Amino acid sequence: QQPVQSPQAVILREGEDAVINCSSSKALYSVHWYRQKHGEAPVFLMILLKGGEQKGHEKISASFNEKKQQSSLYLTASQLSYSGTYFCGTERVGSNYQLIWGAGTKLIIKP
Amino acid sequence: SQTIHQWPATLVQPVGSPLSLECTVEGTSNPNLYWYRQAAGRGLQLLFYSVGIGQISSEVPQNLSASRPQDRQFILSSKKLLLSDSGFYLCAWIAPTGQNGYTFGSGTRLTVV
Repeated sequence: QQPVQSPQAVILREGEDAVINCSSSKALYSVHWYRQKHGEAPVFLMILLKGGEQKGHEKISASFNEKKQQSSLYLTASQLSYSGTYFCGTERVGSNYQLIWGAGTKLIIKP
Repeated sequence: SQTIHQWPATLVQPVGSPLSLECTVEGTSNPNLYWYRQAAGRGLQLLFYSVGIGQISSEVPQNLSASRPQDRQFILSSKKLLLSDSGFYLCAWIAPTGQNGYTFGSGTRLTVV
């Protein structure tokens, strides 16, 4: 079952913060986050494993709440380069890295 | 370092013509390999995945097929293309450890006319 991403789209001014959520109704083993710029392939940002860990990558970080089966991606002090569509991919236990993808969140950063 | 090559980048094909897209991975062994299709402005649709040579799993029954003749080679084919086959095709791999997520090829934009 496809995870639900929210919001579907968000428009920010450069320097503002954003949170993108990814929720699943199934028990998850891991959550992946990717960013795709227009006309390009998705690029891996980070993976979070069950256990409720949090990870950071420059000004982009994420958390995974195992109890809620929800992951959130945090973009702090957004830059123009953060623009794109963000996808979460969820992995269930025993699925051998096969991901079920969210529909994506389009992020537009304006100067 | 690991790299993934996918070609061609762009393809315009008439309805009813055959298709062959190729993807190769370098710098790793025994990767899980995937073929995805993405319609304009939409999410990723898994078409096929492979965990080893000759092992193909299909997620979407249609007129496409996939083959893995070598450990690091994944081929997507069709005998007769349909208009609905148009889209952005992406090959991806993930290492057996899964630690670094999927790495995608640069994609093939297919337009069936």
